[in-house]
Formats: sequence, C-alpha cells, structure tokens
Amino acid sequence: NAGVTQTPKFRILKIGQSMTLQCTQDMNHNYMYWYRQDPGMGLKLIYYSVGAGITDKGEVPNGYNVSRSTTEDFPLRLELAAPSQTSVYFCASSPRGRTDTQYFGPGTRLTVL
Amino acid sequence: ILNVEQSPQSLHVQEGDSTNFTCSFPSSNFYALHWYRWETAKSPEALFVMTLNGDEKKKGRISATLNTKEGYSYLYIKGSQPEDSATYLCASALMNSGYSTLTFGKGTMLLVSP
Repeated sequence: NAGVTQTPKFRILKIGQSMTLQCTQDMNHNYMYWYRQDPGMGLKLIYYSVGAGITDKGEVPNGYNVSRSTTEDFPLRLELAAPSQTSVYFCASSPRGRTDTQYFGPGTRLTVL
Repeated sequence: ILNVEQSPQSLHVQEGDSTNFTCSFPSSNFYALHWYRWETAKSPEALFVMTLNGDEKKKGRISATLNTKEGYSYLYIKGSQPEDSATYLCASALMNSGYSTLTFGKGTMLLVSP
C-alpha cells in the first residue's frame, strides 16, 4: 500500500533548465494537490486537480504547469527553473473535498543554482 | 486569500508538561478546519478534521476544539512526550474557496525535552 509517491527525492537544477516532478497515488482519490514549502512560510498551494482532465491554479502557480491525464498521476512541470523555485515540493491527494483528509507524499527537495 | 495564523511559532516544554497551541482563521464562510502533525524529514499526517462549532476531537493524548463564530481552534497535548516533537499545522477551508483548497498556517514547532 504505497499511498502517495513522489520522484525524485532530491534534484539540483541549473538556472533555465526544466524538469518534471512526478506524483502518483494508488488510493483512487479524485483530488490531487501540489504544494511548496519554504522555510518559515508554511505550505503554499501551487496547483490542484479535482479529477482527470481538470486542473486549477492555487496561490503560487507562476513558473509551473500541471496535467492530469489519469486519476493516479499528477506531474508538476517546471519550465526555465529559477533560484526562487528552490523549495521542498509536496504532492497530496484526498478522496473529495474540503472535509477530507489530505494524504501527503514524502516530498521532493529541489535546488536551483 | 485568507490568513490562517498560528501561535506560538515555537514551543519548548519538558516531558510530562501539558501544552496547547492556537490556530486563528477568518470566521466568515468557514467550511472546515484541519490539524496535521509534521515530523522532521517526514510528510504531514492528519490529526483531525473539524467542521462544527463547539466540536471537540480526541486522539490519545491530543485533543482539539473549534470555535467557528470567533474563528479559532485550540490543540492540546496532555503529558507531552519526546515523540510529540513535531510541527503542528492547521489549515482552513472556506465555502467559496474553490473545489477543495486549504490554506495552511505556518505551524507551531514543538520540542519536548526528556
């Protein structure tokens, strides 16, 4: 029972490079989320999805893109990486909406130099 | 964007002490309040989801109360143990905040010394 998995765990990027952070859940949850966590700033919502084919922006979407072609997968794409995107990224999922617990993945630590 | 505030920012107690933290959130359009426990080098894990004014939830030595009219929730830990050391996050959902988005506070970092 894997829950929410994320790859990679760590990554160092150079400024201007692109990469995709992978997130997969095996709980058949409809809702999936991407957060970033910066020191002293708490979790900020980047993008979320309420089902396959449906995505929407969160609080800090600039510089990121997402897609949701299946229920299980919700990749986060960074185009033209910038130092400001250095952060820890968490993917989460929940069965439905605002009263449902969110289940978090282990996180991806990204450094942009 | 609503503001979810948590206090104190950090707390250091001795083993056996009881402690409590506060989460403040806008009371208008309230929908749900979540508490998560986040240990270092791990990912956040859910403690409680609360929706009703006056609601009280308990899990072992940890309990939480909710006041939606004044916009606050308290998290209590009775007889703190070193394994309770973690950051405790609260998050609020509004009725008009989209399908299912939560706004998280910055957390209260608890350190329990033996």
